[in-house]
Amino acid sequence: DQQVKQNSPSLSVQEGRISILNCDYTNSMFDYFLWYKKYPAEGPTFLISISSIKDKNEDGRFTVFLNKSAKHLSLHIVPSQPGDSAVYFCAASPNINAGGTSYGKLTFGQGTILTVHP
Amino acid sequence: NAGVTQTPKFQVLKTGQSMTLQCAQDMNHNSMYWYRQDPGMGLRLIYYSASEGTTDKGEVPNGYNVSRLNKREFSLRLESAAPSQTSVYFCASSPHFGTSGNYEQYFGPGTRLTVT
Repeated sequence: DQQVKQNSPSLSVQEGRISILNCDYTNSMFDYFLWYKKYPAEGPTFLISISSIKDKNEDGRFTVFLNKSAKHLSLHIVPSQPGDSAVYFCAASPNINAGGTSYGKLTFGQGTILTVHP
Repeated sequence: NAGVTQTPKFQVLKTGQSMTLQCAQDMNHNSMYWYRQDPGMGLRLIYYSASEGTTDKGEVPNGYNVSRLNKREFSLRLESAAPSQTSVYFCASSPHFGTSGNYEQYFGPGTRLTVT
């Protein structure tokens, strides 16, 4: 059962336009969400995160929105640049009060390949 | 400061062979993780070590063993490799396992393993 889903395998946008990457989750115990960026032949690198107590977090060109009622988050990149072309993974972690040893473990989505055309 | 390093970068094994993937971090992190990445599956947790001296199974532990050698090093062993273990393996570390609001993990460059 895929608890974190990125339903769009790929996204293609023009340089300067907005890129919107989407992620849905099913586990209501998730309360911390992260986005990672991955270039070919490299490991994933942390991009931005959001706690469930917020609905928006912004860092430069990157903004993550969280809709808890819909169990949906999105990553907006404005303006998109060719160097943003990469695979983007969303990840989620249960809250520290979830019990057991589940907290601190990240569950990843399948990834979305973003291509930004010059 | 190299961050998380992994060796080897590439490996080809025959079915039934064994090997150990090495991982080290120099960030003084307490927690370390092993993931595998397969097409269309994202990253799946194999094993993790919340702190030195402890290891626990993740989502897909079958066919693997781990050793947390010391605070810096966390190795992944395939005792009898199978074609289903063909994948890209990533090691990661984090400062503290599950510390509230501090879930960020730092990844190594990966090991591409092919089992024929």
